[in-house]
Amino acid sequence: DAGVIQSPRHEVTEMGQEVTLRCKPISGHNSLFWYRQTMMRGLELLIYFNNNVPIDDSGMPEDRFSAKMPNASFSTLKIQPSEPRDSAVYFCASSYPRTASGNTIYFGEGSWLTVV
Amino acid sequence: AQKVTQAQTEISVVEKEDVTLDCVYETRDTTYYLFWYKQPPSGELVFLIRRNSFDEQNEISGRYSWNFQKSTSSFNFTITASQVVDSAVYFCAPNQAGTALIFGKGTTLSVSS
Repeated sequence: DAGVIQSPRHEVTEMGQEVTLRCKPISGHNSLFWYRQTMMRGLELLIYFNNNVPIDDSGMPEDRFSAKMPNASFSTLKIQPSEPRDSAVYFCASSYPRTASGNTIYFGEGSWLTVV
Repeated sequence: AQKVTQAQTEISVVEKEDVTLDCVYETRDTTYYLFWYKQPPSGELVFLIRRNSFDEQNEISGRYSWNFQKSTSSFNFTITASQVVDSAVYFCAPNQAGTALIFGKGTTLSVSS
């Protein structure tokens, strides 16, 4: 079975440019999470959705960040305008709480963003 | 809200040594889950185990074992006969079903040959 799929895997962009990260959760999963990982701050939750609805976006750093989940199989995380301090690995993850396996959260391979 | 403390920032061992990674959590929930994830140098986050708060039995999977002590809010992870491939950052995280995992800083394990 396909896992969580993220794109792009690597992106280098110039400060001020718009960045869009994409995520396809595991089919059938109804919870989706965006995390950011940096050396300084570790793994931070940015936002998560249940059934395509944002539940907690308190981790979104500022208005430059926005996330959408237009349907159950796709989500985007957008940064506009990007800044060097946004350089990080962005992970998308998904889960399905109501299965026998509970709410195991599976992560994508991450999108490595560098803003220069 | 949940909180986790992994007091050991870095651990270094030599191959074949046993090593225990400590995890102490805080939660106000009566029903919750506990997770361990591994992040090898390649960067992906790999699910290792999920434990339900009602199940206090210890679990063994090959060289890995987990000791869940609800009375002390601990969920420690032991690797027996460590190998170089075990070198990674290990994260412990509590959560409730349908909510997000909140990670601590993790423990960096270095296994040398």
